[in-house]
Amino acid sequence: KQEVTQIPAALSVPEGENLVLNCSFTDSAIYNLQWFRQDPGKGLTSLLLIQSSQREQTSGRLNASLDKSSGRSTLYIAASQPGDSATYLCAVYDWGDNTDKLIFGTGTRLQVFP
Amino acid sequence: GAGVSQSPSNKVTEKGKDVELRCDPISGHTALYWYRQSLGQGLEFLIYFQGNSAPDKSGLPSDRFSAERTGGSVSTLTIQRTQQEDSAVYLCASSSGQTDTQYFGPGTRLTVL
Repeated sequence: KQEVTQIPAALSVPEGENLVLNCSFTDSAIYNLQWFRQDPGKGLTSLLLIQSSQREQTSGRLNASLDKSSGRSTLYIAASQPGDSATYLCAVYDWGDNTDKLIFGTGTRLQVFP
Repeated sequence: GAGVSQSPSNKVTEKGKDVELRCDPISGHTALYWYRQSLGQGLEFLIYFQGNSAPDKSGLPSDRFSAERTGGSVSTLTIQRTQQEDSAVYLCASSSGQTDTQYFGPGTRLTVL
């Protein structure tokens, strides 16, 4: 059974710092991996989707990498801003003939203070 | 609409009552998913629809939970005889196909008193 873990569970940093959020999964035979952010009381916003054949994806100040062999993905946030404060979730695709679902990590709650 | 919508946004009900939660996916998206987010349990999968059929219902926690999708569009999640442990945020997502990006709605917060 696939299990997804995120470290750290919470992070508080001053504005301007570069950050690394970690995601690990137990079964390396994954298809895609997706990073989301969730603001308090809101739904999920997709940040980056990394396909299994890719090693990284970039969007603005965000860069996500994927190493299937070691069961890890990292989300790098450059020059953090207070508006980045949210919970960040990684999710692994569990896909087959009769299934298609996301298995979510435990999340990292990020606070960026001015 | 431009995104996934869900209604109601909040629902408070008494233990033992039935509730219906609605999801409107992004137009043209063939795949639809329901997830639940509760304190201490994180975000967990409930059911997956491809068109109007549900090939994976493995996440439904009990037979009090059911879902349907009609016309390849709107989906309804029904919880019968609600219990306090059903209190959670129920999230709906849709995508254009298997393993494509899933887009989430704002969720329905269910509170069972």
